[in-house]
Amino acid sequence: ILNVEQSPQSLHVQEGDSTNFTCSFPSSNFYALHWYRWETAKSPEALFVMTLNGDEKKKGRISATLNTKEGYSYLYIKGSQPEDSATYLCAFKDSGYSTLTFGKGTMLLVSP
Amino acid sequence: EAGVTQFPSHSVIEKGQTVTLRCDPISGHDNLYWYRRVMGKEIKFLLHFVKESKQDESGMPNNRFLAERTGGTYSTLKVQPAELEDSGVYFCASSQGFPQETQYFGPGTRLLVL
Repeated sequence: ILNVEQSPQSLHVQEGDSTNFTCSFPSSNFYALHWYRWETAKSPEALFVMTLNGDEKKKGRISATLNTKEGYSYLYIKGSQPEDSATYLCAFKDSGYSTLTFGKGTMLLVSP
Repeated sequence: EAGVTQFPSHSVIEKGQTVTLRCDPISGHDNLYWYRRVMGKEIKFLLHFVKESKQDESGMPNNRFLAERTGGTYSTLKVQPAELEDSGVYFCASSQGFPQETQYFGPGTRLLVL
């Protein structure tokens, strides 16, 4: 059974704050790590697919890093805005399987 | 380009009834996945189609769940008979075919079994 952990479970920040969350996954049999942004009642939106140790990806104010040797990925949001409020999900892909194994997500609330 | 669509968006049924969920993947995507999120828990894999064939159905909870993808286009997921623990959000996702490629999700069907 693959275990993907996300922390913190929830986070409340003020507009303009920068923040980051963690996704931990098994360090063996790594294939890919996906990040999604999900607003309730909408489709989870794909942010990044990360495959190589040391990968850093950026999309606007959001960036992510990957450490496959120690089994973690960080997601950073610079200068949070109220529209960043959402649940951020990471999903791990084991090379032996086609499925994504999700963490429970980090729920971010950004207050104006 | 249209995204993944799912129908219905919500369904409320009584225990013992049957419900059929539909997913239309992005056009040209051979891979279609079903996932489910029970309240308070993580999104969990149910099954994976490649075109019309079931590639992996290891996540299907039991034989009350039946998924089909006739013709390799849209897919249906039928729950018969529904039980209380089947309540949750059922997501469909599709991808073009490469293992590492992004899976694009639909908005989900919110199922409540009373």
